[in-house]
Order: sequence, then structure tokens, then C-alpha cells
Amino acid sequence: AQKITQTQPGMFVQEKEAVTLDCTYDTSDQSYGLFWYKQPSSGEMIFLIYQGSYDEQNATEGRYSLNFQKARKSANLVISASQLGDSAMYFCAMRRGNFNKFYFGSGTKLNVKP
Amino acid sequence: NAGVTQTPKFRILKIGQSMTLQCTQDMNHNYMYWYRQDPGMGLKLIYYSVGAGITDKGEVPNGYNVSRSTTEDFPLRLELAAPSQTSVYFCASSLQGDPRGGELFFGEGSRLTVL
Repeated sequence: AQKITQTQPGMFVQEKEAVTLDCTYDTSDQSYGLFWYKQPSSGEMIFLIYQGSYDEQNATEGRYSLNFQKARKSANLVISASQLGDSAMYFCAMRRGNFNKFYFGSGTKLNVKP
Repeated sequence: NAGVTQTPKFRILKIGQSMTLQCTQDMNHNYMYWYRQDPGMGLKLIYYSVGAGITDKGEVPNGYNVSRSTTEDFPLRLELAAPSQTSVYFCASSLQGDPRGGELFFGEGSRLTVL
């Protein structure tokens, strides 16, 4: 079974500091994709970053980077220079390569303190 | 750009009633999905479709039905609503071969309460 684990239900970070949100995954597929989505209190789902299983370099999108450690099956999200607007739920997701089915973790609620 | 549009945004149902959540996308995406999100939880896949006429079950399909007669539309049918179906429902779409890994594009969500 495909599984995504986010072990941090909630986290606090000081404004302007960096924070790492953990994500581990379990799959026997060779080809897969890893994603992070942000869900603010308004409820919409916002795409942040994508990493393919064959990508050798870690993905980066502005202040977001994905620390991909394939052997450890981890795909942690790093947010640099946190802002108050980063306070939200963050979901890690995995796409199975052959079927385009996406599986989500239980999420991490991030609170940025001024 | 409309993207993925879901209706209704809010609905209250009585136990045993039925309803259809509508979803349409204008991006010509081949994949479409229905997820449910229970309070404080992640998203669970209900059904998905790889193209018109092709659907398959996800993780939590019981109590739901779908159809995909066109590329654009993917309605979700709730039969005999139960309190356990109280949730927020998200429709999403994706395009195979998209350079961003086939990212999911989400609708705004539909909040359903069954009393």
C-alpha cells in the first residue's frame, strides 16, 4: 500500500526563521512524484513544489525547497525566511507514476509567530 | 481562467437524501479526481478518472458513485447520505505529462453536512 507520513501535527516558527516540515513515503514504484500543498484557513489547496523520483537535484521554488533523500524515502519541505502568511496546513502528497493517483499525508499545521 | 469549478459550495442534507456534487474543468485535463477531507485530516481519494468513460475507485469509494461522460465534467453522486459523509469535498484535475509532474489543480471545495 502506498503511504505518506507526516509526523508533526503542529509546529511553531519565529518569523524570518527557516522551518523544515517532515514527510516520509512508502512505495515500491520506481517512478513517482512528490508534492507539497499549502492549505490556508480559507480552505483552498495551493501547489508549492514538485520533485520527481528521477530528479537528482532538490527542487526549489522561491522560498520553498524540497530536501529529497531517496534512500531514506523522505521528502521534507524547507521554508526559508518564514512569513506570517505562511501560517497554514501543509500537506505532502505522492503521485504513483503509472496511475496518476495521488495520496496525501495527514498534514502539518504551521504557525508563524511575529 | 476558471480552472476547476465545483458546485454547490455548501449543502446540508438529511440522512437518507441523495445529491450530486458537480465538477467541471476547462483545462482539457485527462485526469479528474474526487477527494474528501474530514476535519483536521488529510485528503482521501474517493474516485478518479483517467478520461471520458473511464473511472476507478480510490481509497474510500463506499456510498459514492461517479461518471465521466465528457472530458470536462466529473460529477460525484451521494446515495442515501449518512452522517459519516459529512466532510469537505474537493474535485481536482491533472494533465499527464505536465512539466510540473502532473500537479493537481483543485476546486474550491464543497462543504457537506449530513444531519
